[in-house]
Amino acid sequence: DTGVSQDPRHKITKRGQNVTFRCDPISEHNRLYWYRQTLGQGPEFLTYFQNEAQLEKSRLLSDRFSAERPKGSFSTLEIQRTEQGDSAMYLCASSLANRNSGRSDEQFFGPGTRLTVL
Amino acid sequence: GNSVTQMEGPVTLSEEAFLTINCTYTATGYPSLFWYVQYPGEGLQLLLKATKADDKGSNKGFEATYRKETTSFHLEKGSVQVSDSAVYFCAWRGEKLTFGTGTRLTIIP
Repeated sequence: DTGVSQDPRHKITKRGQNVTFRCDPISEHNRLYWYRQTLGQGPEFLTYFQNEAQLEKSRLLSDRFSAERPKGSFSTLEIQRTEQGDSAMYLCASSLANRNSGRSDEQFFGPGTRLTVL
Repeated sequence: GNSVTQMEGPVTLSEEAFLTINCTYTATGYPSLFWYVQYPGEGLQLLLKATKADDKGSNKGFEATYRKETTSFHLEKGSVQVSDSAVYFCAWRGEKLTFGTGTRLTIIP
């Protein structure tokens, strides 16, 4: 399967614990995005990378959240000191951006990681 | 600010009924517009898109036309099937995607 993969698919944790999620994009894609989706809402943008550079972060991304893409391939999203309000589906997407124009093609989404904070 | 306003659900229709899900957007410039679909237990999938005014996106019998004058991108299908039951999201893209809240569609036989 050459689509976007995410691990784990489900995570249950206690309030105050740290969690880390992984996203493996489609291999030739240079852009990687993280979104958060809460129940009954559409996905909300968190951050995105072009290769290993983090180009934009939403104000939703508090200082407890950190994302990395160290080698420009897979990415991790870490949440420190989790709170119940962090419970959501965390979605990863990837796309191929034109190196000259900077315009990005279609974003392909992974299945998501569902986080439940007790 | 930039946003997408989407018809609230849930929407329940009988098989073979006509479907319209309304979507309007507020954005600077002329963004690309999308409809994504999320089937039960699956990830988001692109259903159709339009990149400029008057473009019509179509896929699987669904259509949506990019209307600049009304800043709308309503989703339509002439005859829905049970397999169309899913949550539908309207979105526009600058660099990132901005989604509507989603409309849950249930088709009953």
